[in-house]
Amino acid sequence: TQLLEQSPQFLSIQEGENLTVYCNSSSVFSSLQWYRQEPGEGPVLLVTVVTGGEVKKLKRLTFQFGDARKDSSLHITAAQPGDTGLYLCAGAPYDKIIFGKGTRLHILP
Amino acid sequence: SAVISQKPSRDICQRGTSLTIQCQVDSQVTMMFWYRQQPGQSLTLIATANQGSEATYESGFVIDKFPISRPNLTFSTLTVSNMSPEDSSIYLCSASLGGAYYGYTFGSGTRLTVV
Repeated sequence: TQLLEQSPQFLSIQEGENLTVYCNSSSVFSSLQWYRQEPGEGPVLLVTVVTGGEVKKLKRLTFQFGDARKDSSLHITAAQPGDTGLYLCAGAPYDKIIFGKGTRLHILP
Repeated sequence: SAVISQKPSRDICQRGTSLTIQCQVDSQVTMMFWYRQQPGQSLTLIATANQGSEATYESGFVIDKFPISRPNLTFSTLTVSNMSPEDSSIYLCSASLGGAYYGYTFGSGTRLTVV
């Protein structure tokens, strides 16, 4: 069974600080995705990383895929209250996606 | 990306009854899925809804409890049968335009409370 471990599970920081969320697995994935979910809504896809070592930027968010394609990280620079939410990493071993347990992020104004 | 409409958005149901959740996609999609999510937690895949054939269920989920229909490439339903309080959860429909590789689009979810 392929599992995705996310850390930390919870993170509460002050506005303006930087943070990194990690997603790790013992298995190789052809791609990894990051989603953000807000209360009362479904997850929204932020990015897909497909190449080992790949780095993608989405405004203040930087996503990296590990060289061995077993792990990924999400770095947020100068966090804003609007970044608050549940961040989920997901991988697609076949045609279905499996999700990590998520990181609940709370940015304090 | 596809837009998914899911209804109802929430419901409170009596134990022993059944609820059918509908999922409508605004374009034809190759794959549709149903997930369950406990409040504040991650998503667990219930099944893959296959167009024109029986759904493919994940371990721990069975057709008698969660019958699924997918009559065409834009619509699917999930029924939660003979409900108990343990079925209280958020149920989410999702769809993929180009396979899991490209990510999924999700509906807003159905928050089910069984009393």
